[in-house]
Amino acid sequence: AQSVTQLGSHVSVSEGALVLLRCNYSSSVPPYLFWYVQYPNQGLQLLLKYTSAATLVKGINGFEAEFKKSETSFHLTKPSAHMSDAAEYFCAVSGGAGGGADGLTFGKGTHLIIQP
Amino acid sequence: NAGVTQTPKFQVLKTGQSMTLQCAQDMNHEYMSWYRQDPGMGLRLIHYSVGAGITDQGEVPNGYNVSRSTTEDFPLRLLSAAPSQTSVYFCASRVQGGTDTQYFGPGTRLTVL
Repeated sequence: AQSVTQLGSHVSVSEGALVLLRCNYSSSVPPYLFWYVQYPNQGLQLLLKYTSAATLVKGINGFEAEFKKSETSFHLTKPSAHMSDAAEYFCAVSGGAGGGADGLTFGKGTHLIIQP
Repeated sequence: NAGVTQTPKFQVLKTGQSMTLQCAQDMNHEYMSWYRQDPGMGLRLIHYSVGAGITDQGEVPNGYNVSRSTTEDFPLRLLSAAPSQTSVYFCASRVQGGTDTQYFGPGTRLTVL
């Protein structure tokens, strides 16, 4: 069964600083990996996804993530944080939650705080 | 396209009451699912469906029922609400296949007193 671990329930960075949100996964098969963002009182929006093509994946709003099979990681980065990046971020892997091949297993989320 | 829509946005129930959370999508997606979101727990899968007439349980199905009579609609029923079901509920849909994006509705915030 797949699982996802997000290190750090809260991450605080200064505006303009590097954003790094960590995600590690476990999977018995080659995974499909996703990062979603949730702004306050809204649903989830896809930031980017890894589907076994390029290991460095670029997403919306300047975010990118690198799939590292040897480290079972899929960390999310952004070179320069903006105040509008403050939100909850979820890493997810396809399958494993009893949802068949198409179900998503989510990490517990990381709340990103941007300091002015 | 409206995408994935959910009604109501907010609901307050008393313990023991029943209700149905509505979910509809206009993207002709085969796969639909319901998640609940609780603080510090991420999103957990309640039930899912891979097409009309086909449903199955997810990680936390107890206390919830679903049916899928059409491709577009996937309602979630609470038969006898309990305070433990206080949560934010999200419906999602996607095309079949693990690589495709799952689209989420705006959520229903449910409080059970």
